[in-house]
Amino acid sequence: GAVVSQHPSRVICKSGTSVKIECRSLDFQATTMFWYRQFPKQSLMLMATSNEGSKATYEQGVEKDKFLINHASLTLSTLTVTSAHPEDSSFYICSAGENQPQHFGDGTRLSIL
Amino acid sequence: AQSVTQLDSHVSVSEGTPVLLRCNYSSSYSPSLFWYVQHPNKGLQLLLKYTSAATLVKGINGFEAEFKKSETSFHLTKPSAHMSDAAEYFCVVSLYSGNTPLVFGKGTRLSVIA
Repeated sequence: GAVVSQHPSRVICKSGTSVKIECRSLDFQATTMFWYRQFPKQSLMLMATSNEGSKATYEQGVEKDKFLINHASLTLSTLTVTSAHPEDSSFYICSAGENQPQHFGDGTRLSIL
Repeated sequence: AQSVTQLDSHVSVSEGTPVLLRCNYSSSYSPSLFWYVQHPNKGLQLLLKYTSAATLVKGINGFEAEFKKSETSFHLTKPSAHMSDAAEYFCVVSLYSGNTPLVFGKGTRLSVIA
């Protein structure tokens, strides 16, 4: 069964809405989780590293005020896309794991109208 | 820095014929390498992994890959393509061992013709 659970799987909402995506590790503790983004017909790119109890580390070009990451417990990281716009429409996927390869969530397809 | 190059953005094969998806990597030390598959509108599925053990790695669904250090390659092969193999395939390298992010290649879209 899945060891990383990601919800929701699909979001369709109006421009200006904030959207929260959850990533949970089900049977292990994850001090670090990773968030990736995949634009249509492109590869996955690392957005940020979520660190339990401390600030997330963002990759170059990713706006930290736009993509808020909270890792308040050892099993849950959340990504909030604030005031989402159509250009934020993408496939967001998280991963976690104590060793390689990491376990991926099923992803969240975000569509902003 | 680690990186992977997938040499073909699209590969088309006939059902029952061999599949070859090419991947070259760049790494300053011994990498861990993976192949993932993504079906349309789906998440990622791990096909196989290389982590410095046997250089010929067998994965799920009949896929295998060979790590060739001299060629810095990790090509994915399958003897006989099936219609259900049509998907996007990603060659992936890990930056370090343990709890670290992955670096994805740009992907190769595999089409299988009946």
